[in-house]
Amino acid sequence: GQNIDQPTEMTATEGAIVQINCTYQTSGFNGLFWYQQHAGEAPTFLSYNVLDGLEEKGRFSSFLSRSKGYSYLLLKELQMKDSASYLCAVMDSNYQLIWGAGTKLIIKP
Amino acid sequence: NAGVTQTPKFRVLKTGQSMTLLCAQDMNHEYMYWYRQDPGMGLRLIHYSVGEGTTAKGEVPDGYNVSRLKKQNFLLGLESAAPSQTSVYFCASTKNDYRDTGELFFGEGSRLTVL
Repeated sequence: GQNIDQPTEMTATEGAIVQINCTYQTSGFNGLFWYQQHAGEAPTFLSYNVLDGLEEKGRFSSFLSRSKGYSYLLLKELQMKDSASYLCAVMDSNYQLIWGAGTKLIIKP
Repeated sequence: NAGVTQTPKFRVLKTGQSMTLLCAQDMNHEYMYWYRQDPGMGLRLIHYSVGEGTTAKGEVPDGYNVSRLKKQNFLLGLESAAPSQTSVYFCASTKNDYRDTGELFFGEGSRLTVL
């Protein structure tokens, strides 16, 4: 079966750096996505990786290793507003999105 | 800019009742999707549409029907609600096939409780 694994919950301190990991086992690969979802709100798009390597976008970066079936989302200079769930999703060989359950990130002052 | 709007935001149903969730987008997007989100699980695709007048089944279509009579609207119907359909429902849209950018635009969600 197809599977996306992310930690359920993580805690970090304001101003620090946190890395949220995502491992996947899917039938084929056509890209990996990260979305942010604040409690009670809609998911919003953060990043898209289809080639190996690091994509940087301001305080957020996303890394992909296709050979390892692994990605991470790196958040720098954490702010209280970064408290949210972070969803990892992989597009399989049929271009269907397979979603992870999400990682709830708690930021402490 | 309204983006993707869902109505209603909250609804409580009794088992066996029927209802319709409405999704409207003002971005002229071709593709529209209905997902459900349950605790501890990833988003699961119910049905989707690649254009006006078309619909297709997703991962968990049983117990739901959809219609796309107008390009801007995508309706999700529950024929006979069951407690297992208690969930948060999200509508999403994309201009073209999301294969290009992966960016889905989501509505704010509709929380449905079936007693």
